[in-house]
Amino acid sequence: NSKVIQTPRYLVKGQGQKAKMRCIPEKGHPVVFWYQQNKNNEFKFLINFQNQEVLQQIDMTEKRFSAECPSNSPCSLEIQSSEAGDSALYLCASSQGNTGQLYFGEGSKLTVL
Amino acid sequence: QQQVRQSSQSLTVWEGETAILNCSYENSAFDYFPWYQQFPGEGPALLIAIRSVSDKKEDGRFTIFFNKREKNLSLHIKDSQPGDSATYFCAASANTGYQNFYFGKGTSLTVIP
Repeated sequence: NSKVIQTPRYLVKGQGQKAKMRCIPEKGHPVVFWYQQNKNNEFKFLINFQNQEVLQQIDMTEKRFSAECPSNSPCSLEIQSSEAGDSALYLCASSQGNTGQLYFGEGSKLTVL
Repeated sequence: QQQVRQSSQSLTVWEGETAILNCSYENSAFDYFPWYQQFPGEGPALLIAIRSVSDKKEDGRFTIFFNKREKNLSLHIKDSQPGDSATYFCAASANTGYQNFYFGKGTSLTVIP
């Protein structure tokens, strides 16, 4: 059973609407990753954090995508203005960092109509 | 350029056979290679992983064979069971534990009873 908790499991949005997903990493894991998995099973890295600080992010996330990992609150990924091409499974994963082992949540499946 | 490639999109074996899933990578800096198992509607689950200092890693029915010189690896699933039917993803990272993981497109394994 996954110890990375993602909510909601499913969300349906109209084009232009905001979509927000949350993630509680595994306890003791300071590193959090967000990936987008499309219908062709391709993983696209979006952003990662160590504690509250951004480590890496792709250009796309600087425009419509925003993410944060505040202390003592769930991490979140928000799409400001959803597009049809954003329909995908959004996966959160956490890691202790030094071991490199990455553990995924069940994902939030976004459908943009 | 795809950093991690899985040679087969799908593979079918009979129950009891050994399933062999192949993977290759581009970046010589990669030194940590996990395999993930994903069932429909679920997030990927870490199955087994190997570091580049080793050429073999075994865990129960699952074995990774790694060839650093050729930049390829394979996952062997011995005595395949119908419950092993899933999509398997090869991944790679330059393991500081903080770097982005690169994923292959997955191999869908079907085990026929």
